[in-house]
Amino acid sequence: DTGVSQDPRHKITKRGQNVTFRCDPISEHNRLYWYRQTLGQGPEFLTYFQNEAQLEKSRLLSDRFSAERPKGSFSTLEIQRTEQGDSAMYLCASSQNRGEKLFFGSGTQLSVL
Amino acid sequence: QQQVKQSPQSLIVQKGGIPIINCAYENTAFDYFPWYQQFPGKGPALLIAIRPDVSEKKEGRFTISFNKSAKQFSLHIMDSQPGDSATYFCAALYSSASKIIFGSGTRLSIRP
Repeated sequence: DTGVSQDPRHKITKRGQNVTFRCDPISEHNRLYWYRQTLGQGPEFLTYFQNEAQLEKSRLLSDRFSAERPKGSFSTLEIQRTEQGDSAMYLCASSQNRGEKLFFGSGTQLSVL
Repeated sequence: QQQVKQSPQSLIVQKGGIPIINCAYENTAFDYFPWYQQFPGKGPALLIAIRPDVSEKKEGRFTISFNKSAKQFSLHIMDSQPGDSATYFCAALYSSASKIIFGSGTRLSIRP
């Protein structure tokens, strides 16, 4: 157990529905990252926060995606109007400072039917 | 845009053998090169990392070899064990950015 928890572990939804995932990072870590991983591929960067500020968003993050980290603690990732192409593992990671050592959660596996 | 290219995609080695996984990068601004290990159903976990000012780093049975001029680095696993069977990702980070870029992964299987 890395200390980063994600909820839910699995989510099955129908196309067009909205979904929200939660990540609880290691408490003393000021950085929080979201990555997406599809089968047979490496994690792809989506966005990251330093404390409560969202400092960078990938071009992969369309307008349907939004992430928040209120009060610099837990984070949520919401996907609106889900599409089948959104099916993937969504990974959260936290780190201190420059982000050299990422601690990943076990991810949320999303399946869009 | 793939900035870190990893090979092979999959690898099968007998127990005790030395699997070698290779990575190449293009951006010379990268200044930190970690390797992550991922087991099924889990997130990746940091295994070992190197900076470009050294040519080799060893931690236990895991060794990174780094060739700055060729912009390549590799992971060697000595005396491999079935418990090493996992997916391995090379990655890179550069100081002006704050995100780690991952390779596409190598699925390693160590046969008993």
